[in-house]
Amino acid sequence: DGGITQSPKYLFRKEGQNVTLSCEQNLNHDAMYWYRQDPGQGLRLIYYSQIVNDFQKGDIAEGYSVSREKKESFPLTVTSAQKNPTAFYLCATSGIGGELFFGEGSRLTVL
Amino acid sequence: AQTVTQSQPEMSVQEAETVTLSCTYDTSESDYYLFWYKQPPSRQMILVIRQEAYKQQNATENRFSVNFQKAAKSFSLKISDSQLGDAAMYFCAYRRWGSAGGTSYGKLTFGQGTILTVHP
Repeated sequence: DGGITQSPKYLFRKEGQNVTLSCEQNLNHDAMYWYRQDPGQGLRLIYYSQIVNDFQKGDIAEGYSVSREKKESFPLTVTSAQKNPTAFYLCATSGIGGELFFGEGSRLTVL
Repeated sequence: AQTVTQSQPEMSVQEAETVTLSCTYDTSESDYYLFWYKQPPSRQMILVIRQEAYKQQNATENRFSVNFQKAAKSFSLKISDSQLGDAAMYFCAYRRWGSAGGTSYGKLTFGQGTILTVHP
């Protein structure tokens, strides 16, 4: 099936640890995005990538890092520098029509 | 910078009735896209409807339609014959048309969301 796969769905992290969220797509889309969702707030853009080996900071990039070594993959690392990482993280791609296609999300909880 | 505002944190509707969710946005662009996304309890984001700003005709997808008022920068979603499965968080989103200066053309700006409850 074509789509976007995020893993893991649930992740627990101790303070001071880095964790990496995986995002894989087989839609052959060039652009990929990471959004963060907190309760009572909309989605906020963390990082995005329009092409392999290139990415840009979004609105809330501090404490996060990404890589784009393959078209299909756009992993997000939540570093220890992120002060409040507990949130729901959504990966997305964009197609020709401009809309975003989303994965099922990953819930990160800091213990 | 573009902003999207949804002024209704929560709305409710009786099954089979009609409800309208409001959205306003701020932009200096003349060409852009607008979207409504639905996020049910599963948290999967689902595209409901899209509107290109250059089109005067309001978009319609089955029971979902929009009222796009470009001059007023308003983009409301009407759900007709509401069903229990329509219960979800609804997000309005804005996207620039094309790309300029390296800005990602696919970058969406979202509103805060409206929680819709459907009563049987």
